[in-house]
Amino acid sequence: QQQVKQSPQSLIVQKGGISIINCAYENTAFDYFPWYQQFPGKGPALLIAIRPDVSEKKEGRFTISFNKSAKQFSLHIMDSQPGDSATYFCAASKGGGSNYKLTFGKGTLLTVNP
Amino acid sequence: AAGVIQSPRHLIKEKRETATLKCYPIPRHDTVYWYQQGPGQDPQFLISFYEKMQSDKGSIPDRFSAQQFSDYHSELNMSSLELGDSALYFCASSLDNTGELFFGEGSRLTVL
Repeated sequence: QQQVKQSPQSLIVQKGGISIINCAYENTAFDYFPWYQQFPGKGPALLIAIRPDVSEKKEGRFTISFNKSAKQFSLHIMDSQPGDSATYFCAASKGGGSNYKLTFGKGTLLTVNP
Repeated sequence: AAGVIQSPRHLIKEKRETATLKCYPIPRHDTVYWYQQGPGQDPQFLISFYEKMQSDKGSIPDRFSAQQFSDYHSELNMSSLELGDSALYFCASSLDNTGELFFGEGSRLTVL
C-alpha cells in the first residue's frame, strides 16, 4: 500500500506558468514533508520541506501548502522555467531519535515548454 | 560545499556475482541511508545506520548486507546478483534529528 500518493504522474506547463503537484499521506505519525527534485541520472536534491506546525512555506519560486486535517500537501512552482523540467518527488517521514527514513511518492515528471 | 560521495558510479556485473558499493557521507553527518531506485520508480528504502549501528531496515533482500565504519562511511554488499538488482543505488546522509537527507549522485548497477 502506497503510504504517500502523488499526482499527477506527469505535467506539462508553459514557461511562466504555475506548476502544481499534489500529495496525500495516510500515516498521521508523519511529521516531516520534503520535496525532492531529480534530474535524469542524478540523485534527488532537497528542494523545500515543511513540518505540520505551519500551513505554508515559501522559498523563492517554490511554495509548499500543507493541510493537516486533509492529510494533503502540495508543491507550487511559480513562473516555471524550462530548467525546472525534472521529476519531482514528495516524501514523508516520522522522525524519532536518529531515524528520518523517507517514504516517497511515485513522482511527477514535469516538462516546462519554452 | 562537500556532498555525499558514492563509488563506483557505474558497475556492470554478471548474474550470481557480488558487488560492493561505497558511500562517504557529508562531514559530521552521523546517519546514512541506502535507497534503491528502479527505472521510472521512486526510491525504495533499504537500510540505515546511525553512529555505526543499524537504525532501521526496509525492503533489503537477505542477499544484501551493509555496515557503517568508524569513519562513518558505509558499504552496501550485494551477493548472488540477479537481473532484478539492476538499479540506481543512492546513499543519503543526515545530521541526527534534522530530517534533512542529502543524496549522493548514485551508483548505477547493471546485472547481465
